[in-house]
Amino acid sequence: AQRVTQPEKLLSVFKGAPVELKCNYSYSGSPELFWYVQYSRQRLQLLLRHISRESIKGFTADLNKGETSFHLKKPFAQEEDSAMYYCALLTGGGNKLTFGTGTQLKVEL
Amino acid sequence: DAGVTQSPTHLIKTRGQQVTLRCSPKSGHDTVSWYQQALGQGPQFIFQYYEEEERQRGNFPDRFSGHQFPNYSSELNVNALLLGDSALYLCASSLEGVSAYNEQFFGPGTRLTVL
Repeated sequence: AQRVTQPEKLLSVFKGAPVELKCNYSYSGSPELFWYVQYSRQRLQLLLRHISRESIKGFTADLNKGETSFHLKKPFAQEEDSAMYYCALLTGGGNKLTFGTGTQLKVEL
Repeated sequence: DAGVTQSPTHLIKTRGQQVTLRCSPKSGHDTVSWYQQALGQGPQFIFQYYEEEERQRGNFPDRFSGHQFPNYSSELNVNALLLGDSALYLCASSLEGVSAYNEQFFGPGTRLTVL
């Protein structure tokens, strides 16, 4: 069965420090992975998807099939990055998103 | 475009009752997915509707049912409510399903409390 694991409930970093939010997945098929973000009092929204290989708000994520990981990284954290981040895996022949439990990122001054 | 809208915002019910939650998709979208988000957890997929049919279903009992109307809006019905059904219910819309290429937009959610 498919599974997404985000081992850290809370990650606290200082402004300007590098950030890495961990995501591991378990899936027998070809994975399609996403990162979603929820800022305080806002809706859940798509941050980036591995298929597009783009950098959004300075964040990048590389799919590592050998390690079954899709970690989210940013070289220099900003205060506005403080939010809840969810890793998600598309399964079921498409159409079904399986989310991890989320990591709360707190960027301190 | 207000994006995905959900009603009501909050709802309090007692065990055994039935509840109906509503969702209007983003303009131009034809697919609606429903998720349950318990406190401290990520969203869990309930089911997805496309062309008025349930196309995909997660691991939820038959007490959870839905409907999609010709205008693509959708309802989520939960019968015989249990305390464990207390959660935030999220609706998300997209065009022609969900894939690696098309984005799914989420609504603000309906907070259901079962007493």
